[in-house]
Amino acid sequence: NSKVIQTPRYLVKGQGQKAKMRCIPEKGHPVVFWYQQNKNNEFKFLINFQNQEVLQQIDMTEKRFSAECPSNSPCSLEIQSSEAGDSALYLCASSLSWAGGYAEQFFGPGTRLTVL
Amino acid sequence: GEQVEQRPPHLSVREGDSAVITCTYTDPNSYYFFWYKQEPGASLQLLMKVFSSTEINEGQGFTVLLNKKDKRLSLNLTAAHPGDSAAYFCAVSATSSGQKLVFGQGTILKVYL
Repeated sequence: NSKVIQTPRYLVKGQGQKAKMRCIPEKGHPVVFWYQQNKNNEFKFLINFQNQEVLQQIDMTEKRFSAECPSNSPCSLEIQSSEAGDSALYLCASSLSWAGGYAEQFFGPGTRLTVL
Repeated sequence: GEQVEQRPPHLSVREGDSAVITCTYTDPNSYYFFWYKQEPGASLQLLMKVFSSTEINEGQGFTVLLNKKDKRLSLNLTAAHPGDSAAYFCAVSATSSGQKLVFGQGTILKVYL
């Protein structure tokens, strides 16, 4: 069973408001991913980190989303100005370092964001 | 980049029958494949990971087949029971996509008595 912790489980915001969610990866996992799962079950990769460094991110994340994984603190994903289209389940996953091979990702329960 | 097509979107089977879900992918450099199960309100549970060096993997009540020539991955639940009712997703990792997973569109499976 995954030990990735995500808070809050549910988040309701108005359009234009900031929306912030947090993730604590499994102990010992230096790699963290954020995905968005929309109501049609389509997944979109947003960003990933190894320790505090961004490895990959998509264009949307660069512009309206901010994310960080500070040492000794939860990782966070924040939408600067929420839009109706941001309503989705935001999943955090963590994995061991993939150097030398792939490490599977373990997912948290998600934060369900509703933008009114 | 990698694209993954998953079929069918919905599947309804009687208890005890088999259920087959198939994914096709585009990147010939795909090397790691995963099947996840998601129950309503819950997160993704890893069912099986498959590396391209292995073509058949068996789990508890299911078999995963990988056909590298056709770039096709399938999940076969051999004798479905109501507890298998959930959404199932394949996910693929390819060199072109870095570490991130590219997911299929999902299959909603319902097992009825």
